[in-house]
Amino acid sequence: DQQVKQNSPSLSVQEGRISILNCDYTNSMFDYFLWYKKYPAEGPTFLISISSIKDKNEDGRFTVFLNKSAKHLSLHIVPSQPGDSAVYFCAASDGAQKLVFGQGTRLTINP
Amino acid sequence: EAGVAQSPRYKIIEKRQSVAFWCNPISGHATLYWYQQILGQGPKLLIQFQNNGVVDDSQLPKDRFSAERLKGVDSTLKIQPAKLEDSAVYLCASSVWGGNTEAFFGQGTRLTVV
Repeated sequence: DQQVKQNSPSLSVQEGRISILNCDYTNSMFDYFLWYKKYPAEGPTFLISISSIKDKNEDGRFTVFLNKSAKHLSLHIVPSQPGDSAVYFCAASDGAQKLVFGQGTRLTINP
Repeated sequence: EAGVAQSPRYKIIEKRQSVAFWCNPISGHATLYWYQQILGQGPKLLIQFQNNGVVDDSQLPKDRFSAERLKGVDSTLKIQPAKLEDSAVYLCASSVWGGNTEAFFGQGTRLTVV
């Protein structure tokens, strides 16, 4: 049972443009959402998070949007830079308990 | 601040052998996670500790996998006997307290079972 889904395995974006990564979840108990970035041969690193009491959180070039009614969140990166090329994981938590990850989206920024 | 330390970085074993991974979380972090990441997939939670107690081990194959967190600090994950399908990266992560706080990951241990 895949509770967190990232339906796009890969995404290619031109440098300077906006990258939009999407994530859907099924468990209505999830109340905290995170995005992680992963480079090859490294562990995932935290990027940005959002609580279910908000619908938007911004940190520099990164913005996460949450649509609770649709059980959907998205990560916007603008402008996209070559160093943003990585695998991005969406994760969700139901409070004090486990952190569930999606399958990941490989983002490639083309010069 | 030192990050999450894991060892070894790489391990190659034959099927039916045993293997152990070690994790040292960030000092003061109460929650420790072990994840299994198979190539092309997202990390799958194997076990979650809160201090030295198990919070969730519902996806841990208990017939071959075991984990412990002595004194609520370091943790070891063991596989005995290993199967070919256990080939994956094993990630350890820690957080201050539970899922609503950022989890910090180690570099992982890449296990290859031949």
